[in-house]
Amino acid sequence: SQQGEEDPQALSIQEGENATMNCSYKTSINNLQWYRQNSGRGLVHLILIRSNEREKHSGRLRVTLDTSKKSSSLLITASRAADTASYFCATDADDSWGKLQFGAGTQVVVTP
Amino acid sequence: GAGVSQSPRYKVAKRGQDVALRCDPISGHVSLFWYQQALGQGPEFLTYFQNEAQLDKSGLPSDRFFAERPEGSVSTLKIQRTQQEDSAVYLCASSLQGGEKLFFGSGTQLSVL
Repeated sequence: SQQGEEDPQALSIQEGENATMNCSYKTSINNLQWYRQNSGRGLVHLILIRSNEREKHSGRLRVTLDTSKKSSSLLITASRAADTASYFCATDADDSWGKLQFGAGTQVVVTP
Repeated sequence: GAGVSQSPRYKVAKRGQDVALRCDPISGHVSLFWYQQALGQGPEFLTYFQNEAQLDKSGLPSDRFFAERPEGSVSTLKIQRTQQEDSAVYLCASSLQGGEKLFFGSGTQLSVL
């Protein structure tokens, strides 16, 4: 079973637009991470936000975390064709150190 | 190498065959993970090592699945008597310590016919 649920399942935007995707989870967490996966490749770590943080930035990425709602959002600003990929949230539940649980992902397509 | 290396990249097995999938983690990474990813889904946790110790194998689907990391570096995931439902991409990941910032390999795509 998967802990996180991403929304939407798929997102199609044009270059320059912003892309926002959301993740909801079920249990208490230590941290929440976002990963990107290009077709046929492994996952690449994007950003980690800890349970005591509310917002974090990294380049064109902005992540928010609301532990009261058990949800997170990932915003990609000024998207590029190279951002086309699947994006996954992953949680490290506070009673399962080391074991990450991934959602089903949001498939993002950025057209030139 | 600089990244996590998995071999083979593709594996086709006849139902009932045994397979062995190899993972070379990043040098110095203490933690190693195996995940199974079905088409269009997120990775599902299989098992986790810290050095040579297998700390969590709760995700292994059945006793046909076995993983080892005898010297705390290279790991092998073995699947005995493969079934069609075992067809998936098997991802290996490593980290300096624990479940933060995992580095993934490109995976082994297993097809069981």
